Amino acid sequence: DAKTTQPTSMDCAEGRAANLPCNHSTISGNEYVYWYRQIHSQGPQYIIHGLKNNETNEMASLIITEDRKSSTLILPHATLRDTAVYYCIVRVFSGSARQLTFGSGTQLTVLP
Amino acid sequence: EPEVTQTPSHQVTQMGQEVILRCVPISNHLYFYWYRQILGQKVEFLVSFYNNEISEKSEIFDDQFSVERPDGSNFTLKIRSTKLEDSAMYFCASRPRDRDTGELFFGEGSRLTVL
Repeated sequence: DAKTTQPTSMDCAEGRAANLPCNHSTISGNEYVYWYRQIHSQGPQYIIHGLKNNETNEMASLIITEDRKSSTLILPHATLRDTAVYYCIVRVFSGSARQLTFGSGTQLTVLP
Repeated sequence: EPEVTQTPSHQVTQMGQEVILRCVPISNHLYFYWYRQILGQKVEFLVSFYNNEISEKSEIFDDQFSVERPDGSNFTLKIRSTKLEDSAMYFCASRPRDRDTGELFFGEGSRLTVL
């Protein structure tokens, strides 16, 4: 799986959009970008994933650059409960039991 | 909403003792995983399990670890002779077979403290 690079930490004001960047310059054509988050030692929680098109769900939006070498997770209206470590993971879309590899992630702190 | 449940939430044990961590995956899921997270460190993959056998395991998952699906609902992680360095949060995860979206459903974890 391709390596990802994320900032160690970010702050965001409550109610504002949180934009979390991720670099994955060695991503392959068959690798997807996944985002998970972990709130204070709870189990990781899936947020969203995409291949090359922008994706949106009820939690967030994922913007992937045209060259697919980087992406941004957007939380449109951050709340205090969004304070968490956010993980960007690149992985082949597979029908096997293949595992996810978590990096260090970005600690997002939403400030009141 | 269905969820993965884990027991116990916290277990304290003496070094050298055997520990069994239990997980009840979501009912229609067929792929199962164990991860662990030592305090302050990354979430690390241990093992994946499908069709009653291990699909993949990491270097961490050595002979002291074993997994089992003893019945149709439980998925267990056994640590035969615990060491101090086994102290960690252990997360169980599952996903359905019919689609692989990369979405794993994680439980809340079992905290293991080895004294």
